Parts: sequence; structure tokens; C-alpha cells
Amino acid sequence: DGGITQSPKYLFRKEGQNVTLSCEQNLNHDAMYWYRQDPGQGLRLIYYSQIVNDFQKGDIAEGYSVSREKKESFPLTVTSAQKNPTAFYLCASISPPGQGILNTEAFFGQGTRLTVV
Amino acid sequence: AQSVTQPDIHITVSEGASLELRCNYSYGATPYLFWYVQSPGQGLQLLLKYFSGDTLVQGIKGFEAEFKRSQSSFNLRKPSVHWSDAAEYFCAVGGGGYQKVTFGTGTKLQVIP
Repeated sequence: DGGITQSPKYLFRKEGQNVTLSCEQNLNHDAMYWYRQDPGQGLRLIYYSQIVNDFQKGDIAEGYSVSREKKESFPLTVTSAQKNPTAFYLCASISPPGQGILNTEAFFGQGTRLTVV
Repeated sequence: AQSVTQPDIHITVSEGASLELRCNYSYGATPYLFWYVQSPGQGLQLLLKYFSGDTLVQGIKGFEAEFKRSQSSFNLRKPSVHWSDAAEYFCAVGGGGYQKVTFGTGTKLQVIP
């Protein structure tokens, strides 16, 4: 089955540590996105990538970094510079019309809950 | 810049009652509009989407939404709510293609017996 896989489901980080969240998709989508979700704030865009080896900052990129070396993978690193990293992180990929699916639709992973201990 | 407003943070309805969740958007061209649902600790699932054509769109789980360009609205409706509909609902707007999708802050739905 095609889909998006995020791992791990739960992640604990000590203060000052970098951690990396994994996002893999087998939907053959070009565009991938990382969102952060906090209670009452909805989804906020961290980074997005429209194509391999290219990515852009979203609305809250400070303290985060990404890479896009393969079409299928878009890992997110939460660095020690992110002062309040405890949140639920969602990865998504988007299907543009050119890929044979009717219209743009974001497919989401199940999320990673990151907690600072 | 595109934006989405969901004015209701929490809504409580009785099981079997009708439901309407409000969504207003701001977008400079013809919008692509979506409603997603999220159960606790889970990712988002697409309920329905609008791109063009009939302004009343049908989705999964008995939901529908109506696009009203004059009001910049895309409200979600369901004629009879089930307890399993309790979740958080997100409205979103995008431009199609590779453009980013912007989400509203969500409406949390509680269903009481």
C-alpha cells in the first residue's frame, strides 16, 4: 500500500541534543512538507521541498533543518537551537495534478510526538 | 498571503443533531479548499475537497461542504452527527500544484449522548 511513514511515533530528547525525525513516502510525490502542531495553534509549516536537493523555509523554520537527498525521504532535524521543541510533528506529501491524481491533496503520516525531558 | 480562519475553537453537539463547522479563507485566485479530520494522536485524513464545478461537494463519512465565493466560505456540514465524529477538524486552502497548503487552527468537536 502506498503511504507516508513517520518514525518514531514517540521521541524523547534531552535539552541540548539534536534529534532527527524520519519521513518516508512511496507515493512518488515530488513535494513534501513538515508541520508542527501545538494545541490551539493548528498546523504550522516548518519546511517544504518541491524537488530533490531543494527545500524552502516555512513559517517557523528557526531551530530546524532538513535534507532531501532522495525523493522518498525528507528527514527533519530538531536542533538544540529550537527552544521549545515539545510538539506533535506531521509530515505530508502532496500530489500535484501532473501525477495523474485529480487534484492537489496532502497525504499525512501518523505523526511523531517529541518531548523534551 | 493566503489564510484560513476557523472561528470556532470548540463545538459541542448532541448525537443525532446536525453540524456545521465554519471556515473562511483568503486567497488571491481560485482556491483549492479542503477539510481534514484528525483523531487524537493521529495524522490527518481528507474528508473532502473543492477545486471547481459544483459548489456543493460530498465527502466521506456523510460530510458535505459548500463553497460560497461571495462569502469566502467553505463550511462543513453533516445532517446527523455520530459519536465517532468526535475529533478535530481542519479547513485548508491551497493553490494547486506545488504551492503550499495553509491550514486553519482547527475546530474540536465534542459529541454528547
